[in-house]
Amino acid sequence: AQKITQTQPGMFVQEKEAVTLDCTYDTSDPSYGLFWYKQPSSGEMIFLIYQGSYDQQNATEGRYSLNFQKARKSANLVISASQLGDSAMYFCAMREGQTGGFKTIFGAGTRLFVKA
Amino acid sequence: EAQVTQNPRYLITVTGKKLTVTCSQNMNHEYMSWYRQDPGLGLRQIYYSMNVEVTDKGDVPEGYKVSRKEKRNFPLILESPSPNQTSLYFCASSTTTGTGSTDTQYFGPGTRLTVL
Repeated sequence: AQKITQTQPGMFVQEKEAVTLDCTYDTSDPSYGLFWYKQPSSGEMIFLIYQGSYDQQNATEGRYSLNFQKARKSANLVISASQLGDSAMYFCAMREGQTGGFKTIFGAGTRLFVKA
Repeated sequence: EAQVTQNPRYLITVTGKKLTVTCSQNMNHEYMSWYRQDPGLGLRQIYYSMNVEVTDKGDVPEGYKVSRKEKRNFPLILESPSPNQTSLYFCASSTTTGTGSTDTQYFGPGTRLTVL
């Protein structure tokens, strides 16, 4: 069965430093997509970054990059130069392809605290 | 402006009283989803739709119905709500089915439902 694991319930990082949020996944589908979302305390879900399973290069979006290690089934989010506004809940998600029926599953999330 | 709208944003109802939460997107997206978010459980997919008249069950479909008669709308129907359906509900739409080289998933603002 498909599965997403985020092993860090909470993380602290100093402002302006980089932080890595871990995500591992499990699937037998050769085609899948990986997503990261941010949920601030206000509650909205904000899309951050996406990586397709066939992409050779790691995805980047501004200060966000996705460290995609396919053999290890890991899709860690790297936030560079952390800002106070980055304090939020972060979710990793996976959507399988045709074999998995295009369902989407989410990890339990990691709460990030950025210290001034 | 690209957006996903949900109505109502807040709803308190009683057990057994049928209700519908509407969802609409203005981006001509094919893939739409409903999720529920509960403390400690992350987001779980209820139903999703790959296109008009095509819907599939997610991980927690019991007690819910959906329809996709038009591309832009994907309402969530609770025929006989029960207290265990008290939750925060999100509608989302994606540019693709989410296994290609690019994708973005937009979320609605959420609907907080309380069933007494």
